[in-house]
Amino acid sequence: GAVVSQHPSRVICKSGTSVKIECRSLDFQATTMFWYRQFPKQSLMLMATSNEGSKATYEQGVEKDKFLINHASLTLSTLTVTSAHPEDSSFYICSAWTSGVTDTQYFGPGTRLTVL
Amino acid sequence: KQEVTQIPAALSVPEGENLVLNCSFTDSAIYNLQWFRQDPGKGLTSLLLIQSSQREQTSGRLNASLDKSSGRSTLYIAASQPGDSATYLCAVGSSNTGKLIFGQGTTLQVKP
Repeated sequence: GAVVSQHPSRVICKSGTSVKIECRSLDFQATTMFWYRQFPKQSLMLMATSNEGSKATYEQGVEKDKFLINHASLTLSTLTVTSAHPEDSSFYICSAWTSGVTDTQYFGPGTRLTVL
Repeated sequence: KQEVTQIPAALSVPEGENLVLNCSFTDSAIYNLQWFRQDPGKGLTSLLLIQSSQREQTSGRLNASLDKSSGRSTLYIAASQPGDSATYLCAVGSSNTGKLIFGQGTTLQVKP
């Protein structure tokens, strides 16, 4: 199957700093990338849908000014958590998908964010 | 609004047992349904994808069924092994946009 990477895998930062997470599709071009967050022992919650070359679509309740998403190419999307606070500590997972090619989404390994 | 529920939340079985994980969804107008596996602290691995027109899919010891009219899907695992221990997530796609709505997952422990 297709491979999706995320970087970094783990990050610890101080409250108030910004953190950028990269999501790359390594061996295919993804028209769409999805960003999820997962709290301990909970399921994945979709945060936003990112289409290459256009603005991301955010789910209800997700602050677009806090979670900046950029999808500059068909293989790279970035999520920047701006002015992170302890409540933003979570597991962030991206997935990549290509419309009309496959219905399967390919997930990255996730990024563990801890805000002190 | 689509809601996906998985029962049970946790399951512990001895090695070798056959088991069934359940997933229910509130809106039967789905595009597809997928089962994923998640190991602790890791991303998701796709196990099976069932299109809305299909009734079941099989892969090795795994069999997933779909009954849209009743809003249910089951994941059957035959001859369970300790390596099957993980959290299993059911996700419903409601359109061809790729968006998925996830259930809470069932955490499976297979004891040797």
